Amino acid sequence: EAGVTQSPTHLIKTRGQQATLRCSPISGHTSVYWYQQALGLGLQFLLWYDEGEERNRGNFPPRFSGRQFPNYSSELNVNALELEDSALYLCASSLAGAGHTDTQYFGPGTRLTVL
Amino acid sequence: GQQLNQSPQSMFIQEGEDVSMNCTSSSIFNTWLWYKQDPGEGPVLLIALYKAGELTSNGRLTAQFGITRKDSFLNISASIPSDVGIYFCAGRIAGGTSYGKLTFGQGTILTVHP
Repeated sequence: EAGVTQSPTHLIKTRGQQATLRCSPISGHTSVYWYQQALGLGLQFLLWYDEGEERNRGNFPPRFSGRQFPNYSSELNVNALELEDSALYLCASSLAGAGHTDTQYFGPGTRLTVL
Repeated sequence: GQQLNQSPQSMFIQEGEDVSMNCTSSSIFNTWLWYKQDPGEGPVLLIALYKAGELTSNGRLTAQFGITRKDSFLNISASIPSDVGIYFCAGRIAGGTSYGKLTFGQGTILTVHP
């Protein structure tokens, strides 16, 4: 069974540009989560999507946004990039419903570098 | 920001030794999870705990959900070189606003000397 996949593996942008990161969940999973892992830090929750809707959001500015498509894949968009946005962005997926959304399986991540 | 205190921050051990790490919080958690992350990869789920007092094993790994619901520990027995990596605790804080959101500790870096 294929795990969570993310693309691209690496992304280099300059300050002020926009970045788009993509994620495909494990087959059968309908919930997708995004986390930011800055160098030397733990993971910080960004967004949770389920059935195409944003269900919860972490303490990040509105320039971090995303969406979930009918096939449950997801995009994370970061507008007006700042240097401190450089980080590993991790996507996770889970089954939906109470008791399942806590057990999240992660992809390999996209390394975003902002110059 | 972070609401989990994970310790120790790093460990240097000899192959064959046992390892213990823990996480504590000022908040009550509904779920505790333990992940391992290798360089350049995403975290891999090791053990999931759903009830206070629950003790769960996965091979040489054992984890427990603390009775107070504010802590958890992970033990690794008879460590081997491939145990090297960063171990994270994670959990969901009790309360509706945290639904779907995992809070992570800052990780324990494990080095195993052959």
